[in-house]
Amino acid sequence: DTGVSQDPRHKITKRGQNVTFRCDPISEHNRLYWYRQTLGQGPEFLTYFQNEAQLEKSRLLSDRFSAERPKGSFSTLEIQRTEQGDSAMYLCASSFSGGWADTQYFGPGTRLTVL
Amino acid sequence: KNEVEQSPQNLTAQEGEFITINCSYSVGISALHWLQQHPGGGIVSLFMLSSGKKKHGRLIATINIQEKHSSLHITASHPRDSAVYICAAPGGGADGLTFGKGTHLIIQP
Repeated sequence: DTGVSQDPRHKITKRGQNVTFRCDPISEHNRLYWYRQTLGQGPEFLTYFQNEAQLEKSRLLSDRFSAERPKGSFSTLEIQRTEQGDSAMYLCASSFSGGWADTQYFGPGTRLTVL
Repeated sequence: KNEVEQSPQNLTAQEGEFITINCSYSVGISALHWLQQHPGGGIVSLFMLSSGKKKHGRLIATINIQEKHSSLHITASHPRDSAVYICAAPGGGADGLTFGKGTHLIIQP
């Protein structure tokens, strides 16, 4: 068990560029979650997957955001045409089974800065 | 959508003090999560509880389902307990987990 990993850890980009983040969950975990956290705030739910199926997507998530988990293992989160308001820490978490009552294991996050 | 409120937002205490952080939520839930976040962003899950009380070392979490309220206690606090403590509750469907804003705890030696 090597824990949840995320890549890159930091990303600086210019407004209008596209960025993609990767999350590798704990290997036997079926659920994978994406969250966003801005300075001084708690994390905010973005979306989650049960295996390769994307089950829920936050109403707050604009069409510029897309996430995939093609083989039910790693996941990618892409932001198109980045805006300064997208600057945040993007967190990935995984859990073994379904249900919001399952313990989630968090990755270290990817800090995005949009100039 | 579940509204999750934490108090206090900031707490500074002396080493050895008993610490209490409170969390209230608006919609009945199956379970509530307590998380710890250290500077640099790493988040660790401390507790997931659906009723009663859980204890891990010096940390104790309690929940009252009827009152929609949970507390996190730290006994014999230590400077290494300094962190942000966050509670989170299922919001339902597309709301996922709803997080509180966190309690920034500083334990001074």
